[in-house]
Amino acid sequence: DAGVTQSPTHLIKTRGQQVTLRCSPKSGHDTVSWYQQALGQGPQFIFQYYEEEERQRGNFPDRFSGHQFPNYSSELNVNALLLGDSALYLCASSGTPDYYEQYFGPGTRLTVT
Amino acid sequence: RKEVEQDPGPFNVPEGATVAFNCTYSNSASQSFFWYRQDCRKEPKLLMSVYSSGNEDGRFTAQLNRASQYISLLIRDSKLSDSATYLCVVNPPLRGNNRLAFGKGNQVVVIP
Repeated sequence: DAGVTQSPTHLIKTRGQQVTLRCSPKSGHDTVSWYQQALGQGPQFIFQYYEEEERQRGNFPDRFSGHQFPNYSSELNVNALLLGDSALYLCASSGTPDYYEQYFGPGTRLTVT
Repeated sequence: RKEVEQDPGPFNVPEGATVAFNCTYSNSASQSFFWYRQDCRKEPKLLMSVYSSGNEDGRFTAQLNRASQYISLLIRDSKLSDSATYLCVVNPPLRGNNRLAFGKGNQVVVIP
């Protein structure tokens, strides 16, 4: 039973560039949430996707956008990268949007130079 | 005010000792509470849920104090493998919402 997978593992980008991160949820899960974890901090909620729509959003600017595909996989896009966007980006999946137990993927470590 | 506050430590603990730490949460209507464990450069993993009556899982005991809005975790007979960051997590009370609010984490280093 495959768990949550994310790609790529690591990424280095330059300020001003755009990046796309990908996530495949755990088998049987249809809800995907994205979190940003800066060094020394806890993860911060970015947004959640269910039925191919953004259902909830945290306190992140519009530069952060996402998408969910019919197979429940999801993408996180960040435009106009800033140095402060350097972080570990975590994807979590759950069986329903309101079920608390979420499974996290290994994350994508983004470095912006 | 942050949704979840934790004193990050580090907590240096001799092997075999007991360590305990708390976190506080701001929204008194929060319903679900958890402790997650995160190893260095890895993803968070659910350690245990925290119930109103308190709960125990082996060497780990979690308590919830709703009146004071804090959650605690106690680790008995610490092992070297317990070295990790322990994240206090709250599910804020919005219907149809499973957004998790994380604290900064308590870094535990178990020393031989």
